[in-house]
Amino acid sequence: DAMVIQNPRYQVTQFGKPVTLSCSQTLNHNVMYWYQQKSSQAPKLLFHYYDKDFNNEADTPDNFQSRRPNTSFCFLDIRSPGLGDAAMYLCATSSRRTDTQYFGPGTRLTVL
Amino acid sequence: AQSVTQPDIHITVSEGASLELRCNYSYGATPYLFWYVQSPGQGLQLLLKYFSGDTLVQGIKGFEAEFKRSQSSFNLRKPSVHWSDAAEYFCAALTGANNLFFGTGTRLTVIP
Repeated sequence: DAMVIQNPRYQVTQFGKPVTLSCSQTLNHNVMYWYQQKSSQAPKLLFHYYDKDFNNEADTPDNFQSRRPNTSFCFLDIRSPGLGDAAMYLCATSSRRTDTQYFGPGTRLTVL
Repeated sequence: AQSVTQPDIHITVSEGASLELRCNYSYGATPYLFWYVQSPGQGLQLLLKYFSGDTLVQGIKGFEAEFKRSQSSFNLRKPSVHWSDAAEYFCAALTGANNLFFGTGTRLTVIP
């Protein structure tokens, strides 16, 4: 089945220690998104890639970066995680920006 | 400003009872509308979507939603709730700016 995969499902890091979250897709979609979801809140868009074109949301902190080396993979890098960055991170894909977004299972990040 | 409103933070229903979750949007034109469901610690699963055409849309797991332009609403319904339906439900709207706006979610509890 075509799907969106996120690894790891659970990530524990220390305050200030860089961490990378991974997302891959077998849908061959052009667009990949990263969302941050804190407890009992709606997902918040951090940025997205349309093919290789990176689009950052205006209020996304510089601490968050992303890479998309190819169509299938996209990475979220948190350069210096703070306690406030503890959240669920969701990856999503869509064929076009104007189409349905399909979400992965998420990575739960804990910052100690 | 574009927004999606889910007025009910938490709803409790008995198993077998009918369910309606409310969603209102604020946008100049008719956006694309979605309902997603999220079980604890999981990603978002698409239940159904409305782009155009028939205003009553059928989704997975026995859910349906009705788009009412006059009320700017897209309420989700299910005639008979099962215990496995307990989850968080998010309404979302995709606007012309190609951003997916989420409501704050409605948590559904199902009692035996």
